Amino acid sequence: QKEVEQNSGPLSVPEGAIASLNCTYSDRGSQSFFWYRQYSGKSPELIMSIYSNGDKEDGRFTAQLNKASQYVSLLIRDSQPSDSATYLCAVNGNNRLAFGKGNQVVVIP
Amino acid sequence: SAVISQKPSRDICQRGTSLTIQCQVDSQVTMMFWYRQQPGQSLTLIATANQGSEATYESGFVIDKFPISRPNLTFSTLTVSNMSPEDSSIYLCSVLFSSGGYNEQFFGPGTRLTVL
Repeated sequence: QKEVEQNSGPLSVPEGAIASLNCTYSDRGSQSFFWYRQYSGKSPELIMSIYSNGDKEDGRFTAQLNKASQYVSLLIRDSQPSDSATYLCAVNGNNRLAFGKGNQVVVIP
Repeated sequence: SAVISQKPSRDICQRGTSLTIQCQVDSQVTMMFWYRQQPGQSLTLIATANQGSEATYESGFVIDKFPISRPNLTFSTLTVSNMSPEDSSIYLCSVLFSSGGYNEQFFGPGTRLTVL
């Protein structure tokens, strides 16, 4: 089993809709969870960090963590064309980050 | 967060040559990392750059191929040695930054390497 899995294929959402991204991880001892946004040709940009169970909201972004089920999700409300990017889930285990493969989000005007 | 710069931003190199990539941070950081991102792929950790000691390499990466220096808490270099086309990739420097008791990791702009 891979450390961090993001299984969904490219996600197309209409402008103004909610984009929902999911991520599962294998290391039950993981304590820190992150979502990075990566525009094409650019480096990853940290957009959300979450450390405890529940929801964390930051502007149009909400991260959700469920340690018992070992998943973390990201919701993007009121999606904008500028949200079109690849979103990488990362989990801190053994003092290093493990990354998922990423989910491409395309927001359609 | 920290401001991270990398040089060069991109390069095209011939097979068999070596390239050294520099990473500069505007504040002292405890941990610095080097990643590789191959086309269409996610990030793979190459090594952790340790200040004052040898870097810690991940499985599949060796010091002879990817020598790393970290002379102080704001600077590191990664050398890609004896390059082949398979080394064509984006190389990213990353730093661990502590805030409010939590650690967050930030990335430099990357170095896009093409090996012919």
